[in-house]
Amino acid sequence: GQQLNQSPQSMFIQEGEDVSMNCTSSSIFNTWLWYKQEPGEGPVLLIALYKAGELTSNGRLTAQFGITRKDSFLNISASIPSDVGIYFCAGQGGYGGSQGNLIFGKGTKLSVKP
Amino acid sequence: GAVVSQHPSWVICKSGTSVKIECRSLDFQATTMFWYRQFPKQSLMLMATSNEGSKATYEQGVEKDKFLINHASLTLSTLTVTSAHPEDSSFYICSAVPDRNQPQHFGDGTRLSIL
Repeated sequence: GQQLNQSPQSMFIQEGEDVSMNCTSSSIFNTWLWYKQEPGEGPVLLIALYKAGELTSNGRLTAQFGITRKDSFLNISASIPSDVGIYFCAGQGGYGGSQGNLIFGKGTKLSVKP
Repeated sequence: GAVVSQHPSWVICKSGTSVKIECRSLDFQATTMFWYRQFPKQSLMLMATSNEGSKATYEQGVEKDKFLINHASLTLSTLTVTSAHPEDSSFYICSAVPDRNQPQHFGDGTRLSIL
């Protein structure tokens, strides 16, 4: 099925470093979501973006919805070991998918070295 | 808020057995619930969408007679894997929303292993 282009696939960083990941799509979405998944668990919602150009923060996390509504980035500042996991972007609604259904990126696996 | 509970978290059973997985929204009423399947190191793949009181909508390639979905109340949806075989082994995850314009909130998943 349709997927978002998420990059990078994986990141190995030192504790304290900042992290940036992004997603792009050929389709317009009404909503962009960022989730984090840890091994053996379901995804947990981090940030939801509803308006083009919207910049939203959640603690050390910041995400922006692109002006064209076809892309988004997620930044994590001053990473800590518990940031380890797989981060997924997801698009919802608009021309990219039927209402309510999510289209997922392939995920960015983050590893943090203490 | 928006807590989704999934049970069981882990199940091992013999080939040919039917397995039921429950998904509950604990602090909100979920008009719509979604069922996903996730293979190792891959993203979530939508299997079906269920709306309370109506038949589920299955994604292309998903056998509706194999994966039975029931959404009989606003807080509970069940997925039954009928006559499970080793190739059905996977991580199954549900999500729920109070309405389809809201973000999906996910359960913790069920690890299904068929011997």
